[in-house]
Amino acid sequence: EVQLVESGGDLVQPGGSLRLSCAASGFTFSSYAMKWVRQAPGKGLEWVSYISDTSSTIHYADSVKGRFTISRDNAKNSLYLQMNSLRAEDTAVYYCARDFFDSWGQGTLVSVSS
Amino acid sequence: AGLTQPPSVSKDLRQTATLTCTGNSNNVGDQGAVWLQQHQGHPPKLLSYRNYNRPSGISERLSASRSGNTASLTITGLQPEDEADYYCSAWDRSLSAWVFGGGTKLTVL
Repeated sequence: EVQLVESGGDLVQPGGSLRLSCAASGFTFSSYAMKWVRQAPGKGLEWVSYISDTSSTIHYADSVKGRFTISRDNAKNSLYLQMNSLRAEDTAVYYCARDFFDSWGQGTLVSVSS
Repeated sequence: AGLTQPPSVSKDLRQTATLTCTGNSNNVGDQGAVWLQQHQGHPPKLLSYRNYNRPSGISERLSASRSGNTASLTITGLQPEDEADYYCSAWDRSLSAWVFGGGTKLTVL
């Protein structure tokens, strides 16, 4: 069974940093591209970032470019999102999703507030 | 520039609902769109791949299609469990980004 489990969400002050992790199991992680998608409270889905299976291709939404960094460790079956210079508008549930959006984690909540 | 979805659709039980998702030639019109369903408090669930095939386990009452720059999701024989938020998403080659629609809240009366 495919499983994606996010962790690392927390309450952080504006300007702070946070690192999210996504632990994958039940499939060959190294064969799949991965994405981060977020959802602000009461709002719709917003794509955040994409990383190919070998990390050779990476894309970011304009709203996070220059502040967030996506990475992966195929040996550890893990996906990461390093978030710096956090803003109030980054407050959301962050989901990791497999390439074709066919599997999602339960999400981890990031709250940015003073 | 995201995709355009009607904010809400209401239909009677056992009726048919068709949800739409309008983009442009750089996204929906290029490689199609995926459809996702999200119930309150739960993560999204894939209903349709970009090629409009259903993942295993998805009801045959759901079918997806595309005409030009508009993708559609049709749900027949509406059931109470179909009441949810529905999102479309597509790769935009001009933006090098995945774009989402704002979502449609489907109410089954």
